[in-house]
Amino acid sequence: EVQLVESGGGLVKPGESLRLSCTTSGLPFINAWMSWVRQGPGKGLEWIGRFKGKNDGGTLDYAAPLKDRFTILRDNSKTTLYLQMNSLKTEDTAVYYCAAGVGSSDFDYWGQGTLVTVSS
Amino acid sequence: QSVLTQPPSASGTPGQWLTISCSGGNSNIGTNSVHWYQHLPGTAPKLLIYRNNQRPSGVPDRFSGSKSGTSASLAISGLQSEDEADYYCATWDNSLSGWVFGGGTKVTVL
Repeated sequence: EVQLVESGGGLVKPGESLRLSCTTSGLPFINAWMSWVRQGPGKGLEWIGRFKGKNDGGTLDYAAPLKDRFTILRDNSKTTLYLQMNSLKTEDTAVYYCAAGVGSSDFDYWGQGTLVTVSS
Repeated sequence: QSVLTQPPSASGTPGQWLTISCSGGNSNIGTNSVHWYQHLPGTAPKLLIYRNNQRPSGVPDRFSGSKSGTSASLAISGLQSEDEADYYCATWDNSLSGWVFGGGTKVTVL
Protein backbone atom coordinates (compact mmCIF):
# COMPACT_ATOMS: atom_id res chain seq x y z
CA GLU A 1 0.00 0.00 0.00
CA VAL A 2 1.33 3.41 -0.96
CA GLN A 3 1.47 5.94 1.86
CA LEU A 4 2.55 9.57 1.89
CA VAL A 5 2.58 11.36 5.23
CA GLU A 6 3.31 15.07 5.47
CA SER A 7 4.60 16.68 8.65
CA GLY A 8 6.20 19.86 9.88
CA GLY A 9 3.30 22.28 9.51
CA GLY A 10 2.40 24.80 12.15
CA LEU A 11 2.07 28.46 13.03
CA VAL A 12 4.89 30.76 11.97
CA LYS A 13 5.33 34.52 11.71
CA PRO A 14 5.78 36.41 8.46
CA GLY A 15 9.39 36.34 7.33
CA GLU A 16 10.18 33.09 9.10
CA SER A 17 11.18 29.77 7.54
CA LEU A 18 9.71 26.29 7.77
CA ARG A 19 10.63 22.87 6.40
CA LEU A 20 7.96 20.32 5.61
CA SER A 21 8.60 16.61 5.24
CA CYS A 22 6.79 13.94 3.27
CA THR A 23 7.63 10.42 4.36
CA THR A 24 6.68 7.74 1.86
CA SER A 25 6.35 3.98 1.74
CA GLY A 26 5.17 1.41 -0.75
CA LEU A 27 6.30 3.17 -3.91
CA PRO A 28 9.47 3.15 -6.07
CA PHE A 29 10.59 6.43 -4.52
CA ILE A 30 13.90 6.81 -6.35
CA ASN A 31 12.15 6.95 -9.72
CA ALA A 32 8.91 8.60 -8.61
CA TRP A 33 8.18 12.17 -9.66
CA MET A 34 7.52 13.91 -6.36
CA SER A 35 5.57 17.15 -6.11
CA TRP A 36 4.25 19.66 -3.63
CA VAL A 37 0.79 21.19 -4.07
CA ARG A 38 -0.99 23.56 -1.73
CA GLN A 39 -4.52 24.71 -1.07
CA GLY A 40 -5.15 28.06 0.56
CA PRO A 41 -8.29 28.66 2.62
CA GLY A 42 -11.30 28.73 0.33
CA LYS A 43 -9.07 28.31 -2.71
CA GLY A 44 -8.28 25.62 -5.24
CA LEU A 45 -5.15 23.56 -5.68
CA GLU A 46 -1.88 25.31 -6.56
CA TRP A 47 1.19 23.53 -7.84
CA ILE A 48 4.44 24.43 -6.10
CA GLY A 49 7.01 22.31 -7.85
CA ARG A 50 8.29 18.84 -8.64
CA PHE A 51 11.39 16.71 -8.41
CA LYS A 52 11.69 14.22 -11.27
CA GLY A 53 12.76 10.66 -10.60
CA LYS A 54 16.32 9.44 -11.07
CA ASN A 55 15.64 7.68 -14.39
CA ASP A 56 14.32 10.95 -15.79
CA GLY A 57 17.27 13.04 -14.74
CA GLY A 58 16.26 13.99 -11.21
CA THR A 59 15.70 17.61 -12.21
CA LEU A 60 13.55 20.23 -10.52
CA ASP A 61 10.74 22.46 -11.77
CA TYR A 62 9.07 25.21 -9.79
CA ALA A 63 6.06 27.46 -10.15
CA ALA A 64 7.55 30.79 -11.18
CA PRO A 65 5.99 32.91 -8.40
CA LEU A 66 7.45 30.65 -5.69
CA LYS A 67 10.85 29.58 -6.97
CA ASP A 68 12.79 32.30 -5.20
CA ARG A 69 11.50 31.34 -1.75
CA PHE A 70 10.67 27.63 -1.94
CA THR A 71 13.10 24.74 -2.41
CA ILE A 72 12.27 21.07 -2.89
CA LEU A 73 14.72 18.44 -1.69
CA ARG A 74 14.61 14.68 -1.62
CA ASP A 75 16.47 12.00 0.29
CA ASN A 76 16.18 8.78 -1.67
CA SER A 77 17.78 6.76 1.14
CA LYS A 78 14.98 7.86 3.48
CA THR A 79 12.27 7.89 0.77
CA THR A 80 11.42 11.36 2.01
CA LEU A 81 10.61 14.59 0.21
CA TYR A 82 11.09 18.02 1.75
CA LEU A 83 9.84 21.53 1.12
CA GLN A 84 11.99 24.34 2.45
CA MET A 85 9.99 27.55 2.67
CA ASN A 86 11.73 30.85 3.37
CA SER A 87 10.52 34.42 3.87
CA LEU A 88 7.00 33.19 4.49
CA LYS A 89 4.08 35.50 3.82
CA THR A 90 0.53 35.48 5.13
CA GLU A 91 -0.64 34.39 1.69
CA ASP A 92 1.39 31.18 2.08
CA THR A 93 -1.16 30.01 4.64
CA ALA A 94 -2.45 26.74 3.20
CA VAL A 95 -2.66 23.00 3.52
CA TYR A 96 0.44 21.58 1.86
CA TYR A 97 0.21 18.23 0.09
CA CYS A 98 2.90 16.04 -1.34
CA ALA A 99 2.08 13.84 -4.30
CA ALA A 100 3.82 11.04 -6.16
CA GLY A 101 3.74 10.28 -9.85
CA VAL A 102 4.61 6.72 -10.81
CA GLY A 103 3.41 6.52 -14.38
CA SER A 104 -0.12 7.81 -14.84
CA SER A 105 0.16 11.47 -13.94
CA ASP A 106 2.41 13.59 -11.75
CA PHE A 107 -0.08 13.12 -8.92
CA ASP A 108 -1.00 9.42 -8.77
CA TYR A 109 -0.90 9.36 -4.98
CA TRP A 110 -1.37 12.11 -2.42
CA GLY A 111 -0.82 12.60 1.27
CA GLN A 112 -3.44 14.04 3.60
CA GLY A 113 -1.66 17.34 3.92
CA THR A 114 -0.15 19.47 6.66
CA LEU A 115 -1.45 22.91 7.62
CA VAL A 116 0.85 25.90 7.55
CA THR A 117 -0.43 29.13 9.07
CA VAL A 118 1.56 32.31 8.59
CA SER A 119 0.36 35.00 10.96
CA SER A 120 1.78 37.61 13.29
CA GLN B 1 -8.04 33.31 -11.12
CA SER B 2 -7.25 29.78 -12.32
CA VAL B 3 -5.77 29.11 -15.74
CA LEU B 4 -8.29 26.31 -16.22
CA THR B 5 -11.96 27.24 -15.84
CA GLN B 6 -14.42 24.96 -14.08
CA PRO B 7 -17.95 25.69 -12.87
CA PRO B 8 -17.77 26.30 -9.10
CA SER B 9 -20.63 23.93 -8.37
CA ALA B 10 -22.79 21.19 -9.86
CA SER B 11 -25.58 19.11 -8.41
CA GLY B 12 -27.83 16.21 -9.22
CA THR B 13 -30.06 13.57 -7.73
CA PRO B 14 -29.00 9.98 -7.13
CA GLY B 15 -28.81 8.04 -10.37
CA GLN B 16 -28.51 11.13 -12.53
CA TRP B 17 -25.83 11.86 -15.13
CA LEU B 18 -23.58 14.78 -14.31
CA THR B 19 -20.84 16.45 -16.32
CA ILE B 20 -18.15 18.90 -15.23
CA SER B 21 -16.37 21.01 -17.79
CA CYS B 22 -12.77 22.24 -17.77
CA SER B 23 -11.81 24.95 -20.24
CA GLY B 24 -8.28 26.03 -21.05
CA GLY B 25 -6.15 27.13 -23.96
CA ASN B 26 -3.69 26.03 -26.61
CA SER B 27 -0.72 26.02 -24.25
CA ASN B 28 -2.34 23.64 -21.78
CA ILE B 29 -5.35 21.47 -22.61
CA GLY B 30 -4.82 22.03 -26.33
CA THR B 31 -1.50 20.19 -26.26
CA ASN B 32 -1.34 18.12 -23.07
CA SER B 33 -3.28 15.40 -21.34
CA VAL B 34 -5.89 16.29 -18.75
CA HIS B 35 -6.18 14.55 -15.41
CA TRP B 36 -9.01 14.68 -12.89
CA TYR B 37 -8.85 14.45 -9.11
CA GLN B 38 -11.52 13.90 -6.47
CA HIS B 39 -11.05 15.63 -3.15
CA LEU B 40 -13.05 15.31 0.02
CA PRO B 41 -11.96 18.11 2.39
CA GLY B 42 -9.66 16.82 5.10
CA THR B 43 -8.59 13.81 3.09
CA ALA B 44 -5.99 13.05 0.48
CA PRO B 45 -7.01 13.95 -3.07
CA LYS B 46 -7.48 10.94 -5.32
CA LEU B 47 -6.60 10.39 -8.96
CA LEU B 48 -9.85 9.75 -10.82
CA ILE B 49 -8.99 10.02 -14.52
CA TYR B 50 -5.57 10.25 -16.16
CA ARG B 51 -4.50 11.02 -19.73
CA ASN B 52 -7.92 12.42 -20.64
CA ASN B 53 -9.96 9.23 -20.36
CA GLN B 54 -8.08 6.51 -18.48
CA ARG B 55 -9.34 5.15 -15.15
CA PRO B 56 -6.94 3.88 -12.50
CA SER B 57 -7.77 0.48 -11.11
CA GLY B 58 -10.38 0.74 -8.40
CA VAL B 59 -12.16 3.77 -9.85
CA PRO B 60 -15.76 2.85 -10.76
CA ASP B 61 -16.54 2.84 -14.47
CA ARG B 62 -19.32 5.36 -13.95
CA PHE B 63 -16.56 7.97 -13.98
CA SER B 64 -15.35 8.87 -17.47
CA GLY B 65 -13.31 11.62 -19.06
CA SER B 66 -13.02 13.19 -22.47
CA LYS B 67 -11.13 15.95 -24.21
CA SER B 68 -11.77 17.98 -27.33
CA GLY B 69 -9.61 20.88 -28.44
CA THR B 70 -9.00 23.15 -25.48
CA SER B 71 -11.72 21.71 -23.26
CA ALA B 72 -12.19 18.57 -21.23
CA SER B 73 -15.05 17.01 -19.34
CA LEU B 74 -15.59 14.63 -16.47
CA ALA B 75 -18.82 12.66 -16.50
CA ILE B 76 -20.42 10.80 -13.64
CA SER B 77 -23.16 8.40 -14.65
CA GLY B 78 -25.45 7.09 -11.95
CA LEU B 79 -24.57 9.74 -9.38
CA GLN B 80 -24.22 8.38 -5.83
CA SER B 81 -24.17 10.10 -2.45
CA GLU B 82 -20.52 9.18 -1.94
CA ASP B 83 -19.65 11.23 -5.04
CA GLU B 84 -20.15 14.42 -3.05
CA ALA B 85 -16.71 16.00 -3.25
CA ASP B 86 -14.64 18.64 -4.97
CA TYR B 87 -13.36 17.76 -8.44
CA TYR B 88 -10.29 19.31 -10.07
CA CYS B 89 -8.92 19.12 -13.58
CA ALA B 90 -5.19 19.55 -14.14
CA THR B 91 -2.72 19.66 -16.98
CA TRP B 92 0.76 20.90 -17.84
CA ASP B 93 1.00 24.39 -19.27
CA ASN B 94 3.79 24.83 -21.83
CA SER B 95 3.82 28.62 -21.53
CA LEU B 96 4.07 28.60 -17.75
CA SER B 97 6.28 25.50 -17.66
CA GLY B 98 4.22 24.21 -14.79
CA TRP B 99 1.13 22.34 -13.75
CA VAL B 100 -2.15 24.22 -13.66
CA PHE B 101 -5.35 23.24 -11.92
CA GLY B 102 -8.93 24.24 -12.44
CA GLY B 103 -10.61 26.15 -9.64
CA GLY B 104 -12.52 23.05 -8.62
CA THR B 105 -16.16 22.03 -8.86
CA LYS B 106 -18.13 21.17 -5.75
CA VAL B 107 -20.55 18.36 -6.51
CA THR B 108 -23.64 18.07 -4.35
CA VAL B 109 -25.96 15.07 -4.45
CA LEU B 110 -29.47 16.29 -3.67
